[in-house]
Amino acid sequence: EAGVTQSPTHLIKTRGQQATLRCSPISGHTSVYWYQQALGLGLQFLLWYDEGEERNRGNFPPRFSGRQFPNYSSELNVNALELEDSALYLCASNYRGGAYGYTFGSGTRLTVV
Amino acid sequence: KQEVTQIPAALSVPEGENLVLNCSFTDSAIYNLQWFRQDPGKGLTSLLLIQSSQREQTSGRLNASLDKSSGRSTLYIAASQPGDSATYLCAVGDSNYQLIWGAGTKLIIKP
Repeated sequence: EAGVTQSPTHLIKTRGQQATLRCSPISGHTSVYWYQQALGLGLQFLLWYDEGEERNRGNFPPRFSGRQFPNYSSELNVNALELEDSALYLCASNYRGGAYGYTFGSGTRLTVV
Repeated sequence: KQEVTQIPAALSVPEGENLVLNCSFTDSAIYNLQWFRQDPGKGLTSLLLIQSSQREQTSGRLNASLDKSSGRSTLYIAASQPGDSATYLCAVGDSNYQLIWGAGTKLIIKP
């Protein structure tokens, strides 16, 4: 069974640009979560999508947005990139609600220069 | 507001030792608790998931226990190996399907 896949693995952008990160959940999982992990810091919850709807959002500005497609894959968009957006972005999936735990992908390392 | 604490923040032990990592939480109304490991710069690997109705889970050399009444979980690693070196994270699942994270324990196993 394929795990949670994220692309790209690494992404380098210039301040002010937009970044798009992608996540494919485990087959059968309907929920996708996005987390930010800045270097040396803990995981910060960004967004939760389930059945195509945004269910919850962390304490991040509106320039962090995303969507979930009918096949349950998801995109995270970060507009007007700032240097402090440089971080490891992790995607996780589960079958609605987390009763069976979360499965994480390997992450996308975003570097803003 | 749920708070999750992991002690110690860092731990260095010789290979072969048995060790215990601790996770405590302030609100006993949890949905489940999950232990993860994270290698430097990598994603998270799920180790064990304990539902709120369970007392412990085992996988190979790992055993995780849960005591909701005291707000504690422990991760026991038997016969530690250098490959066990990583940061171990505890996450509590609340009734809103949110994971509340501990800051992690950085474990170094010396050969």
